[in-house]
Amino acid sequence: QVQLVESGGGVVQPGRSLRLSCAASGFTFSHYAMQWVRQGPGKGLEWVSMISHDGGETLYADSVKGRLTISRDNSKSTLYLQLDSLRAEDSAVYYCAKFYDYSGNRWFDPWGQGTLVTVSS
Amino acid sequence: DIQLTQSPSFLSASVGDRVTITCRASQGINSHLAWYQQKPGKAPKLLMYAVSTLQSGVPSRFSGSGSGTEFTLTISSLQPEDFATYYCQQLNSYPMTFGQGTKVEIK
Repeated sequence: QVQLVESGGGVVQPGRSLRLSCAASGFTFSHYAMQWVRQGPGKGLEWVSMISHDGGETLYADSVKGRLTISRDNSKSTLYLQLDSLRAEDSAVYYCAKFYDYSGNRWFDPWGQGTLVTVSS
Repeated sequence: DIQLTQSPSFLSASVGDRVTITCRASQGINSHLAWYQQKPGKAPKLLMYAVSTLQSGVPSRFSGSGSGTEFTLTISSLQPEDFATYYCQQLNSYPMTFGQGTKVEIK
């Protein structure tokens, strides 16, 4: 079945870096754009970043632009999110999601289980 | 950016109740609206896309409607497993924003 598994979260000091991974299985990864969404503690969902199926296009939320970098390795069916210059407000559960966009229909499904990033000194 | 405002933010209801959640967009979103259900400690789960199309496996007590800038999610008869937080999302343009969420709790 279609599955996304995130990893790489942890506790990191402000200003440091972290790389998150999202391993995909059960579908042809290279055919789909992918998304990252985050959720701060006790907060709602915030869209973070998108990457096209071939990595040729990337988009970012203004709140993370210049500090987070999305990438993918289609040969490994893996999505990445590089988090640099981390701030306390980046503390969140980070979810990856498969983006379906076909015939005018769009949605995020499935989502991974999430990986927790805590930025704290 | 397109803002989505959900109402109410919190509602208390009983099993068997009919529940309606509203999602208002700050501008038109061409029916590119999805609804997700999230339970504590779990990832969001897609319920519906394109305003009213149920995702496979989602019970028919869930329905969606609306157009333009106002949309609704209705649960016709609330079941114990439906107590969760619900989010709308616009997928018309980036950033693909979410509403702030509606938490449905047991009365």
